[in-house]
Amino acid sequence: AQSVTQLGSHVSVSEGALVLLRCNYSSSVPPYLFWYVQYPNQGLQLLLKYTSAATLVKGINGFEAEFKKSETSFHLTKPSAHMSDAAEYFCAVSDNFGNEKLTFGTGTRLTIIP
Amino acid sequence: DVKVTQSSRYLVKRTGEKVFLECVQDMDHENMFWYRQDPGLGLRLIYFSYDVKMKEKGDIPEGYSVSREKKERFSLILESASTNQTSMYLCASSWTGEGNQPQHFGDGTRLSIL
Repeated sequence: AQSVTQLGSHVSVSEGALVLLRCNYSSSVPPYLFWYVQYPNQGLQLLLKYTSAATLVKGINGFEAEFKKSETSFHLTKPSAHMSDAAEYFCAVSDNFGNEKLTFGTGTRLTIIP
Repeated sequence: DVKVTQSSRYLVKRTGEKVFLECVQDMDHENMFWYRQDPGLGLRLIYFSYDVKMKEKGDIPEGYSVSREKKERFSLILESASTNQTSMYLCASSWTGEGNQPQHFGDGTRLSIL
């Protein structure tokens, strides 16, 4: 079964600093991978997805992620953090059994220090 | 934009009650999902449905059932609510593709069982 591991349940960065949120996946076949963001008291919103077209994927709000097969990683980055980026971030991997099920990581809460 | 609407943002019920959580999507999506979200555990799939009247168990179906009589509506039922079902419940929907379709989420229902 597919799985994802998000290293670091809490990450704090200063405003203007680089944001790096880590995600490693386990999949027996090339996976589809997603990053979602959840702002307080809201549902999840899609940031970006990897579907094998390109290894570097650009998403909304200046975020991007790079698929590295050799490292089984799909880390999320943003060059310069804004206060509005404070939220919880989830990495997810597709089921690959012809349905649209996703398996989610346990999430990383990002705090931005003014 | 896809709209996934959950009927209640906050709900308080008593132990032993039968509880209904409703979810409606407006994009004619084939697939609908119910998750519960708990701190440190991420999102866990309760049930999903890939067509009207079709359902499949997710990772934690015990104590829950679902109903999908119409394509746009997916209901989660707690047959006899217990305090360990206090949680945030998220509904999602998606198209059917090759496992690469993102899920679109509602804003969640925060359910408290007293």
